[in-house]
Amino acid sequence: QVQLQESGPGLVKPSDTLSLTCAVSGDSISGDNWWGWIRQSPGKGLEWIGYISSRGITHYNPSLESRVTMSVDTSKNQFSLKLSSVTAVDTAVYFCTKKRGGVGHFDYWGQGILVTVSS
Amino acid sequence: QSALTQPPSVSESPGQSVTISCTGTSGDIGRVSWYKQPPGTAPKVMIYEVTNRPSGVPDRFSGSKSGNTASLTISGLQAEDAADYYCSSYTDSYVVFGGGTKLTVL
Repeated sequence: QVQLQESGPGLVKPSDTLSLTCAVSGDSISGDNWWGWIRQSPGKGLEWIGYISSRGITHYNPSLESRVTMSVDTSKNQFSLKLSSVTAVDTAVYFCTKKRGGVGHFDYWGQGILVTVSS
Repeated sequence: QSALTQPPSVSESPGQSVTISCTGTSGDIGRVSWYKQPPGTAPKVMIYEVTNRPSGVPDRFSGSKSGNTASLTISGLQAEDAADYYCSSYTDSYVVFGGGTKLTVL
């Protein structure tokens, strides 16, 4: 069974960079899969941030693209998200996800991690 | 990339059927999936590629599409179906979510 687990600071200061990691178990991060991030502001809907292939090919939400960097570490079977210059509007639960190549849906999700942007 | 519009809320009695719509604002709505999210949990895919059900999803859940509007229908409503439901569209490697619909089972 594939399991995804987010980790990282729960509190980030305004203007700093938010950094999260997603550990993958039950599956290899290599292969024809895409590993992504989706966030949900408190009481709000889902917002796609982007995803990355095991080869490092990325697709980002155009509205966040200038601040987002994703990376993959195949040796640790994990992938990461960095979001720069954060403000209070970036406060959200961040979910890491898996999408198989060639499909348009996310079939595995982490439990989510709440990141609050505050001084 | 088309934005997706869903009704904020729907409600129906147990045993009845309910349909949640998802309308794209421009062009083809693309490859649609539907997610169920009970409070405090991660979303779970219920329908993908418009009409397909993942293994383990009851056949009470069905999807369809007509023009730029996709629909999720839940028949034989049960109390456990109460949740937020999100549609999602995948086009040209980009993903967009609808605003979500809160389903209340009366």
